[in-house]
Amino acid sequence: KAGVTQTPRYLIKTRGQQVTLSCSPISGHRSVSWYQQTPGQGLQFLFEYFSETQRNKGNFPGRFSGRQFSNSRSEMNVSTLELGDSALYLCASSLDSGTDTQYFGPGTRLTVL
Amino acid sequence: GEDVEQSLFLSVREGDSSVINCTYTDSSSTYLYWYKQEPGAGLQLLTYIFSNMDMKQDQRLTVLLNKKDKHLSLRIADTQTGDSAIYFCAEESNYQLIWGAGTKLIIKP
Repeated sequence: KAGVTQTPRYLIKTRGQQVTLSCSPISGHRSVSWYQQTPGQGLQFLFEYFSETQRNKGNFPGRFSGRQFSNSRSEMNVSTLELGDSALYLCASSLDSGTDTQYFGPGTRLTVL
Repeated sequence: GEDVEQSLFLSVREGDSSVINCTYTDSSSTYLYWYKQEPGAGLQLLTYIFSNMDMKQDQRLTVLLNKKDKHLSLRIADTQTGDSAIYFCAEESNYQLIWGAGTKLIIKP
């Protein structure tokens, strides 16, 4: 089975722009979770989607949003980028629940200049 | 809120055993996980333990769970240079995973 894929792998944006990141889960997995990883804050949970519905949300501002499509693929969007949004964004998929064993993609490295 | 704590660094000699420790707060967690992250990469699931188990062994990896003290440990036997990575402990809580800050394992020759 193919693993979790994320595109793009690297992204450079400037402040004020917006960005969309994509995640394709493992075939058959219906839950997709997104995390932000920074050296200062570590791994922080952004949100989880299941069957096209956001089921769980972390403590991030409304500039961070996401969605899930009927094929379980997910996108996350960050609007009005700030320097502090520079991070590795990780996507993880699991069978049914956000607490089932999660399998991670390689991440998208976002740099905001 | 729920919290998971780990030491930030562990340095061991090649060939020795590494023991990475983690404490958590949610006593109702059903599963606890260990993930490994190599430089520039995503997280790789190493192993997990169900909360009604005390120990789980998988080749060079041994997980010990002390529910009374809410303490989880990961032992890596015969540590190799390829084990250099950051190791994350995670507990499930309220339908999401709560992560530790990660322990960087440094291997000395």
